[in-house]
Amino acid sequence: LAKTTQPISMDSYEGQEVNITCSHNNIATNDYITWYQQFPSQGPRFIIQGYKTKVTNEVASLFIPADRKSSTLSLPRVSLSDTAVYYCLVPNQGGKLIFGQGTELSVKP
Amino acid sequence: EPEVTQTPSHQVTQMGQEVILRCVPISNHLYFYWYRQILGQKVEFLVSFYNNEISEKSEIFDDQFSVERPDGSNFTLKIRSTKLEDSAMYFCASSPLHRGELNYGYTFGSGTRLTVV
Repeated sequence: LAKTTQPISMDSYEGQEVNITCSHNNIATNDYITWYQQFPSQGPRFIIQGYKTKVTNEVASLFIPADRKSSTLSLPRVSLSDTAVYYCLVPNQGGKLIFGQGTELSVKP
Repeated sequence: EPEVTQTPSHQVTQMGQEVILRCVPISNHLYFYWYRQILGQKVEFLVSFYNNEISEKSEIFDDQFSVERPDGSNFTLKIRSTKLEDSAMYFCASSPLHRGELNYGYTFGSGTRLTVV
């Protein structure tokens, strides 16, 4: 089971780029790295998934170095509405997602 | 965009009563899950369901809990004899593909807030 470690909280200001790094030292060869976002009183929402190098979509970018022991979620030009908890997950065998505490991102004006 | 629908959004029940939480997963998804989140705490896995049977369950999912897919669209979580500590947000999720396959992101519902009094 690949355990993930990420900062408990981060602060940012509107318009800044935010990078949240997650470590997953014992990631398995077949594991993908997945990031979710959760607003208060809502279910987690899939943001992005990657296996190696860089993945980009309309919401974020995900950078994964060659050793895959860490990954960085990059949110370009955040706004107040990006205030949420961000989870880095590496699904274990069976496909279920095991959530940690996540990173609570607070975006200020 | 397809959604996972959960009803009710809020349920208040008395301790000892049975509750049924309902979910309609995305129609072409094959894997179904229940998670819960006690206020201020982590999202916790309860159970996964595939091919009309439980594929995995956590320690939380004891004999008090059961899941069912009574027809082709609904997926329910039943909690028998509710306890105060069952108060939480319960999230249903579904996924089209299994681990190891590309693009298997889960879709979560908006949750049911269960309050046991």
